[in-house]
Amino acid sequence: EVQLVESGGGLIQPGGSLRLSCAASGFIVNSISMSWVRQAPGKGLEWVSVIHIDDTIFYADSLRGRFTISRDSSKNTLYLQMNNLKVDDTAVYFCARLQDYSGVRAWFDSWGQGTLVTVSS
Amino acid sequence: ELVLTQSPATLSLSPGERATLSCRASQSVSNYLAWYQQKPGQAPRLLIYDVSNRATGIPARFSGSGSGTDFTLTISSLEPEDFAVYYCQQRNSWPPYPFGQGTKVEI
Repeated sequence: EVQLVESGGGLIQPGGSLRLSCAASGFIVNSISMSWVRQAPGKGLEWVSVIHIDDTIFYADSLRGRFTISRDSSKNTLYLQMNNLKVDDTAVYFCARLQDYSGVRAWFDSWGQGTLVTVSS
Repeated sequence: ELVLTQSPATLSLSPGERATLSCRASQSVSNYLAWYQQKPGQAPRLLIYDVSNRATGIPARFSGSGSGTDFTLTISSLEPEDFAVYYCQQRNSWPPYPFGQGTKVEI
């Protein structure tokens, strides 16, 4: 059974840093594309970042330079390092397994339960 | 930039009724689309991929259709557990994974 479990969220002051983790089971994180998606309170879903099977990485324009996605095959875990956090980064952060075919067809077939990041002074 | 617009924002229906949710793309970039269901306090759940393929374990009352810029999610007969928010999502050049803003199906 595929399972994703996020951790690492919490309350942080503006300008601070956090590292989110997403422990995977039932599959190998290096064998497929993995992504982070966030949801601000009462808002919709917003794609954050992706790491593909060939290790190519992309970030949403508003986040580039502040967030870093990575994965550790020995721990079967996906990470999101978030630096210089802003109030607008307050959201539930979900990790998700991504099925992406030839850059034409793509969907998120498994999701973690999410971890809440609150950026506030 | 590709924008996915879902309508209506809120759909008020009763159990047993048919729900029709729309997702319109600002440009035709793909004939592939996914739908997700999200209940309060829960993660999204994949319902439909490639426009009309149901994900594993999704009941047959959920169906998807469409092409080009217009896509539809239909719930043939609403069950109490179907009242939730539904999102569409497509693959694009940039940003690569845009979502619609969601449609809330309420009782």
